[in-house]
Amino acid sequence: QKEVEQDPGPLSVPEGAIVSLNCTYSNSAFQYFMWYRQYSRKGPELLMYTYSSGNKEDGRFTAQVDKSSKYISLFIRDSQPSDSATYLCALDGAGSYQLTFGKGTKLSVIP
Amino acid sequence: EAGVTQFPSHSVIEKGQTVTLRCDPISGHDNLYWYRRVMGKEIKFLLHFVKESKQDESGMPNNRFLAERTGGTYSTLKVQPAELEDSGVYFCASSPRGVPNSPLHFGNGTRLTVT
Repeated sequence: QKEVEQDPGPLSVPEGAIVSLNCTYSNSAFQYFMWYRQYSRKGPELLMYTYSSGNKEDGRFTAQVDKSSKYISLFIRDSQPSDSATYLCALDGAGSYQLTFGKGTKLSVIP
Repeated sequence: EAGVTQFPSHSVIEKGQTVTLRCDPISGHDNLYWYRRVMGKEIKFLLHFVKESKQDESGMPNNRFLAERTGGTYSTLKVQPAELEDSGVYFCASSPRGVPNSPLHFGNGTRLTVT
């Protein structure tokens, strides 16, 4: 069993839709949870960072962590074509930034 | 503020040759990391420098890989001799030291193709 499971997609949605992206993990030692966005031929860019169960909101983005179920989500409201990218979840056990990444989900938002 | 810079952006070499990748972190960032994404796999951690010292190199795949960070500024990652399975995208990232929850800033990666 992989440490982090993430559906690679691809996921295609119409502009304005609500997008839900998810990862599950098996190691309860993970305490820090991140979502990165990666455009084609670019490096990953941090979107959201959280270290506790619950929701964290930043503009159109909401990160949700459920440690009891080992399940994390990223919601994108009012999706825009500029949101088209690969979204990666990344988990860290000790704040050391030895991150464990999911495979990434490729999202396309169609105008 | 200039971002993390990686050079070259793309390298094609033959099996058995040597390649050296370079990373210039954001100025003042003591932490420097190397990650790698092999085709079809997740991005995986390779190693972590704090200034010029290797803090954690547990992700380095084998002794054909050598990372250095002389003077605590830029870093190089040498692969010698390269094998086919070394093909992938090599990312460098940096972060400041002593700043809680500071995110990693990634470069755009070096795409290595070994033929």
